[in-house]
Amino acid sequence: GQNIDQPTEMTATEGAIVQINCTYQTSGFNGLFWYQQHAGEAPTFLSYNVLDGLEEKGRFSSFLSRSKGYSYLLLKELQMKDSASYLCAVRDSNYQLIWGAGTKLIIKP
Amino acid sequence: NAGVTQTPKFRVLKTGQSMTLLCAQDMNHEYMYWYRQDPGMGLRLIHYSVGEGTTAKGEVPDGYNVSRLKKQNFLLGLESAAPSQTSVYFCASSLAGEGSGELFFGEGSRLTVL
Repeated sequence: GQNIDQPTEMTATEGAIVQINCTYQTSGFNGLFWYQQHAGEAPTFLSYNVLDGLEEKGRFSSFLSRSKGYSYLLLKELQMKDSASYLCAVRDSNYQLIWGAGTKLIIKP
Repeated sequence: NAGVTQTPKFRVLKTGQSMTLLCAQDMNHEYMYWYRQDPGMGLRLIHYSVGEGTTAKGEVPDGYNVSRLKKQNFLLGLESAAPSQTSVYFCASSLAGEGSGELFFGEGSRLTVL
């Protein structure tokens, strides 16, 4: 079967750095997406990785290792507004998206 | 700049009642999707459309029907609601296929079936 694993919840301090991990087992791999979802709101696109390595976009970076079936989202200089759920999704060999359950990130002052 | 708009935002139904959720997008996207989001689970695709007049089943289509009569609108219908259909429903659209690029989501419709 296809599976995406993410921690259910994480807590971090304002101004700090946090890493949210995502491991996957899917039928093929054609890219990995990260979305941010604030409580009661729509998911919004954050990043896309298809090749191994780190993609940096401002305070957010996303890393991919295809051989390990592993990705992480790195958030730097955390702000209170970063409190949200972070969804990992993998595009399989049929170009269908398989979604993780999301990681709820709580930022404390 | 509306993007993707869903109506209604909230609805309470009794078991056996029917209803329709409306999704409208103003980005001229070909692809539209209906997902449901349940606690502790990833988004699950119900139905999708690759263009006006087309629909296809996703991962969890049973109990739902859809129509795409106009390119900008994608309707999700529940003919006979069941408590298992209590969920938050998200509509999304994209320029290319689901796994090909960024999805743009609506704000969600929270449905409770009693």
